[in-house]
Amino acid sequence: DAGITQSPRHKVTETGTPVTLRCHQTENHRYMYWYRQDPGHGLRLIHYSYGVKDTDKGEVSDGYSVSRSKTEDFLLTLESATSSQTSVYFCAIRPPGQGTSGNTIYFGEGSWLTVV
Amino acid sequence: GDSVTQMEGPVTLSEEAFLTINCTYTATGYPSLFWYVQYPGEGLQLLLKATKADDKGSNKGFEATYRKETTSFHLEKGSVQVSDSAVYFCALSPAGNNRKLIWGLGTSLAVNP
Repeated sequence: DAGITQSPRHKVTETGTPVTLRCHQTENHRYMYWYRQDPGHGLRLIHYSYGVKDTDKGEVSDGYSVSRSKTEDFLLTLESATSSQTSVYFCAIRPPGQGTSGNTIYFGEGSWLTVV
Repeated sequence: GDSVTQMEGPVTLSEEAFLTINCTYTATGYPSLFWYVQYPGEGLQLLLKATKADDKGSNKGFEATYRKETTSFHLEKGSVQVSDSAVYFCALSPAGNNRKLIWGLGTSLAVNP
């Protein structure tokens, strides 16, 4: 158990409304990630964070913002949801101390978002 | 740039059949290589990894060998079970950049009794 909780797990929202997904970890790891998973695209990185108030964009960051005011929480916000943002969203954490031996990350169970 | 290519699915096998899921990569130097598995309705879990050439990762009866000469990391299992039905993702972490993961598109496996 990697100690990651995502909320909500399922949400249906209307186009144009704001949506915030929360990722909470119990391990106090620095690195946290938000991915989206779509058929035919695999996993795509939206944003990541390497510490409190330190965030950076991934490959599909347009339309998304993030915040990290506490080590344990990483929030993903869709400012004005669109149907193209219907997806499964996964939060992930990266434990420290891996050096050059790899980049093992641990995933939450996902948040299913439908924008209608 | 760095990339990962997996065989397309879905792959359908009978129980106890031999499984191979191909994964090849493009990267400079010696990346670390991973297989993750996603069971229905769940997040991805690390299945196995290898961090240098000729390393063999293994877990739950699955194996994959890091082949630098063929830039491959094929996943194998000698006898699959129904419970192995899942989506399998190959990924790499570029050499010298261990904050980044590059993902294949995933291969769906269905095992029939």
